[in-house]
Amino acid sequence: DSGVTQTPKHLITATGQRVTLRCSPRSGDLSVYWYQQSLDQGLQFLIQYYNGEERAKGNILERFSAQQFPDLHSELNLSSLELGDSALYFCASSAGLSRAYEQYFGPGTRLTVT
Amino acid sequence: GENVEQHPSTLSVQEGDSAVIKCTYSDSASNYFPWYKQELGKRPQLIIDIRSNVGEKKDQRIAVTLNKTAKHFSLHITETQPEDSAVYFCAASKGTALIFGKGTTLSVSS
Repeated sequence: DSGVTQTPKHLITATGQRVTLRCSPRSGDLSVYWYQQSLDQGLQFLIQYYNGEERAKGNILERFSAQQFPDLHSELNLSSLELGDSALYFCASSAGLSRAYEQYFGPGTRLTVT
Repeated sequence: GENVEQHPSTLSVQEGDSAVIKCTYSDSASNYFPWYKQELGKRPQLIIDIRSNVGEKKDQRIAVTLNKTAKHFSLHITETQPEDSAVYFCAASKGTALIFGKGTTLSVSS
């Protein structure tokens, strides 16, 4: 158990809908990262937040957005869902900001869009 | 942007043999290189990492080597066991984020 929690574990929804995925980082970690994992694309970095502020952006679609709250939990919002958005979504957390730190992953949320 | 290439995509070995997975990166500013192991249906787990001021790091049966000049790093697993079977991902830092390779599926047969 890495100490990173994610809810829900599974989510099934229809095209065009909107969903919210939730992540709580390890105690003491200020950075949260979101990744998308699909079969043919490996682990794609989406976005990073540090202490409530966006710090880095990867291959995140405009239909996706995220935020980190004062209690440091983070939410990833996916809207206008398409079949191709079906994937495992992981969040990870790490301690600092001044350099790349060890990232610890949560158990993931499996999103199925039908 | 940063690009991380990982080879091979699949690797099959006999129990007791060694396994080597290689990665190359493009951003000369990358300074942190972790390796993750992901078992089926599970989260990626950090197994070993190396920073750019170190050329080699070892932890029991696993070791990582880094060649900054050539921009490549490798994972070495010795005396492989069936429980080593998993997907292994390398990654290189881009600022405080990580860019991952596409993974290597390692199968260890007994």
